[in-house]
Amino acid sequence: AQSVTQPDIHITVSEGASLELRCNYSYGATPYLFWYVQSPGQGLQLLLKYFSGDTLVQGIKGFEAEFKRSQSSFNLRKPSVHWSDAAEYFCAVGGTYKYIFGTGTRLKVLA
Amino acid sequence: NAGVTQTPKFRILKIGQSMTLQCTQDMNHNYMYWYRQDPGMGLKLIYYSVGAGITDKGEVPNGYNVSRSTTEDFPLRLELAAPSQTSVYFCASSPAGGGTAEKLFFGSGTQLSVL
Repeated sequence: AQSVTQPDIHITVSEGASLELRCNYSYGATPYLFWYVQSPGQGLQLLLKYFSGDTLVQGIKGFEAEFKRSQSSFNLRKPSVHWSDAAEYFCAVGGTYKYIFGTGTRLKVLA
Repeated sequence: NAGVTQTPKFRILKIGQSMTLQCTQDMNHNYMYWYRQDPGMGLKLIYYSVGAGITDKGEVPNGYNVSRSTTEDFPLRLELAAPSQTSVYFCASSPAGGGTAEKLFFGSGTQLSVL
């Protein structure tokens, strides 16, 4: 069965520090992988996606993610976090017809 | 561009009441989805549809019903509201579904409280 695991429920970083949010997936075939961000009281916005080719994917707002098939991972990274990045981040896998989401990681940014 | 529109934005129900959450999209997407979001649980798929007249259960369908009579509309019905259905509900659509690289387009959500 398709599943997504985000092991970190909460992460706190200082503004300007680097960030890595972890995502592990379970899927039988080549997965379609997504990262979404949800600001407080808002819907979800796509940050980036992977479907084939280069395993390092660039997204909006300076985010990038690396697909590692051997580790079944799709971790999200940002070199320097801004206070406006405080939000909840969701990893998702696209399976047959459906999209399955992880439980999310809530990011807090310290000034 | 309206995109995906959900109504209402907020609602309080009494236990045992029924209601319909409305969702409509103007992008001619075949695939539509209902998710519920609970703190620490992420988004759980309730029901989805791959086209008018075709619906299927997701991860947490109990207590809900859906219909898809047109491409544009995908209402979610709660027949006998229970406190466990207190949640934020999101409707989403996609042009080609989860087995592709197409993203989901989300509505702004409905916050439902059952008391």
